[in-house]
Amino acid sequence: GESVGLHLPTLSVQEGDNSIINCAYSNSASDYFIWYKQESGKGPQFIIDIRSNMDKRQGQRVTVLLNKTVKHLSLQIAATQPGDSAVYFCAEIINAGNMLTFGGGTRLMVKP
Amino acid sequence: GAGVSQSPRYKVAKRGQDVALRCDPISGHVSLFWYQQALGQGPEFLTYFQNEAQLDKSGLPSDRFFAERPEGSVSTLKIQRTQQEDSAVYLCASSLGAGSPLHFGNGTRLTVT
Repeated sequence: GESVGLHLPTLSVQEGDNSIINCAYSNSASDYFIWYKQESGKGPQFIIDIRSNMDKRQGQRVTVLLNKTVKHLSLQIAATQPGDSAVYFCAEIINAGNMLTFGGGTRLMVKP
Repeated sequence: GAGVSQSPRYKVAKRGQDVALRCDPISGHVSLFWYQQALGQGPEFLTYFQNEAQLDKSGLPSDRFFAERPEGSVSTLKIQRTQQEDSAVYLCASSLGAGSPLHFGNGTRLTVT
């Protein structure tokens, strides 16, 4: 299939290490944020979301942190596995609307 | 199936041909979105439906692009007189409504030769 993320920044980590992927946003009216994982040839897959009234949310092996002061979002993946290799996108919704706007992606490569 | 289904998976069109891309959203999802994704880029919004009503088509790049969802379920994105710059992956997503995450299909990869 096609290769997603040919020209995207790349984060390379060792299997078993923790990964941190960062995202900056600019609109202070953004009130809902979602992290997506996209593997080559597939559509974006929902990982975890967070609303603007929270600063941290945890899922299975993943944690999202939101810093509204500096408009920064991060995705932490614990004990990174080869199956985590993909392109990761942050996305935001503004003013409780419907339209999702994607930020630039980061390609995560996990070395065995 | 439980997810968003798109067809065809791949489409090759000669420049100037019309194409139609289909999306079957998750059952019960009132919101449906079309996005365009160029190689190495994030998805870009094209248009949005709530049930059968097209509430936002601000992302459609030209009047050659047309989308419909006549019965509030299946949607079709039509591109008339395709151009090479239309080559991209077209993603469909659905959601329960405002404030709910979007669930994406695997897209249709359109190549215009």
